[in-house]
Amino acid sequence: KAGVTQTPRYLIKTRGQQVTLSCSPISGHRSVSWYQQTPGQGLQFLFEYFSETQRNKGNFPGRFSGRQFSNSRSEMNVSTLELGDSALYLCASSLVLAAGEQYFGPGTRLTVT
Amino acid sequence: GQQVMQIPQYQHVQEGEDFTTYCNSSTTLSNIQWYKQRPGGHPVFLIQLVKSGEVKKQKRLTFQFGEAKKNSSLHITATQTTDVGTYFCAGPIVGGSSNTGKLIFGQGTTLQVKP
Repeated sequence: KAGVTQTPRYLIKTRGQQVTLSCSPISGHRSVSWYQQTPGQGLQFLFEYFSETQRNKGNFPGRFSGRQFSNSRSEMNVSTLELGDSALYLCASSLVLAAGEQYFGPGTRLTVT
Repeated sequence: GQQVMQIPQYQHVQEGEDFTTYCNSSTTLSNIQWYKQRPGGHPVFLIQLVKSGEVKKQKRLTFQFGEAKKNSSLHITATQTTDVGTYFCAGPIVGGSSNTGKLIFGQGTTLQVKP
């Protein structure tokens, strides 16, 4: 099976702009979770989608949003970018909802200048 | 809030030495998962432990889940340079507006192995 894919792999944006990241899960996986990884904060849970519905949410501001499509593909959007949003954004898919075994994609490295 | 703490943050060992990382939760966990992230890579699932006191082995790696299901450890025997990376534990935390768990990761232990 193909693994989790994420696009784009690298992105440079300016403060105040918005960005959309995309994730395609492993075929058959209906759960998609998003994580932010930074050197200082480690891996932080953003949200989880299952069957097109957001089922869990981490402690991030409303500027961070997401959605899931009927084919389980997911997008994450960050509006009004801040310098502190620079991070590696990882998407992970799972067979089951709520903290199942996670299969991570390669991530999108976002740099905000 | 509920946390998953991991120590040590860094560990440097000589090749052939043993290595252990510890994971502690402020609450009882239904399960604990371990992941490995190589430098420049993404986390890769290693194992999940579910039962109280469970011990599982994968070649030179031994994983334990505490009796109270609040702590866990990963022990590597006779480290090799291929063991280099950051090891994360993660546990599902239930709370807030959702009654389903979200996976909370420890800060990770970065292992360096000197050949």
